[in-house]
Amino acid sequence: AQKITQTQPGMFVQEKEAVTLDCTYDTSDPSYGLFWYKQPSSGEMIFLIYQGSYDQQNATEGRYSLNFQKARKSANLVISASQLGDSAMYFCAMRGLIQGAQKLVFGQGTRLTINP
Amino acid sequence: DAGVTQSPTHLIKTRGQQVTLRCSPISGHKSVSWYQQVLGQGPQFIFQYYEKEERGRGNFPDRFSARQFPNYSSELNVNALLLGDSALYLCASSLNLGYGYTFGSGTRLTVV
Repeated sequence: AQKITQTQPGMFVQEKEAVTLDCTYDTSDPSYGLFWYKQPSSGEMIFLIYQGSYDQQNATEGRYSLNFQKARKSANLVISASQLGDSAMYFCAMRGLIQGAQKLVFGQGTRLTINP
Repeated sequence: DAGVTQSPTHLIKTRGQQVTLRCSPISGHKSVSWYQQVLGQGPQFIFQYYEKEERGRGNFPDRFSARQFPNYSSELNVNALLLGDSALYLCASSLNLGYGYTFGSGTRLTVV
C-alpha cells in the first residue's frame, strides 16, 4: 500500500525566513511521482512542485524546492523567503497506479502560519 | 483559459437526500478524478474517469456513483446522504493518465 506521512500538524515561521515542511512516503512501486499542493482557506488545491522517482535532480519552482532523498523515502518542501501569503495548508501527495487508476494519495497536511 | 469549474460551490442537504455535483475540466483534458476531503484531513480518492470510462474507484460505498460525458465533464452522485458525507468534494482534471492534476475550488457539502 502507498502511504504519505506528514508529521508536522502546524508550523509557525517569521516572515522572510526559510521553512521546511516534512514528508515521508512508502511505496513498493519503482515508478512514482511526488507532489506538493497548497490549500488556502478558499479550498482550492494549488499545485506547487513535482518530483518524479527517476529524476536525478531536485525539483525547483521559484521560491519552492523539493529536497528529494530517495533512499530515505523523503520529499521535503523548502520555501525560501517566506511571505504572509504563504500561510495555508500544505499537502504532500504521491501518484500511484492502483487497479488501473492513477490516483493521488495525500498526507494529513501541515498548517503553515507566517508571522509578520 | 478557464480552469477546472465545479458547481455548486456550497450546498446544504438533509440526511437521506440525494445530491449531484458537477465538474467541467480544463479544455482538452480527458481525465477527471473526484476526491473527498473531510475537515482536518487530506483528500481521499473516490473515482477516476478517462475517456468516459471508469478507471478506478476508491474505498467508498455504492451510494457514490459518477459518470463522464462526451464533452469530458463529470457528475458525482451521492444517494441516501449521511452526516458523515459532509465534506469538501474536489474535482481534478488531467490531460491524460499519468499527467499532472489541476484541481477545482471544490463543492462544500453540508448534510444536516
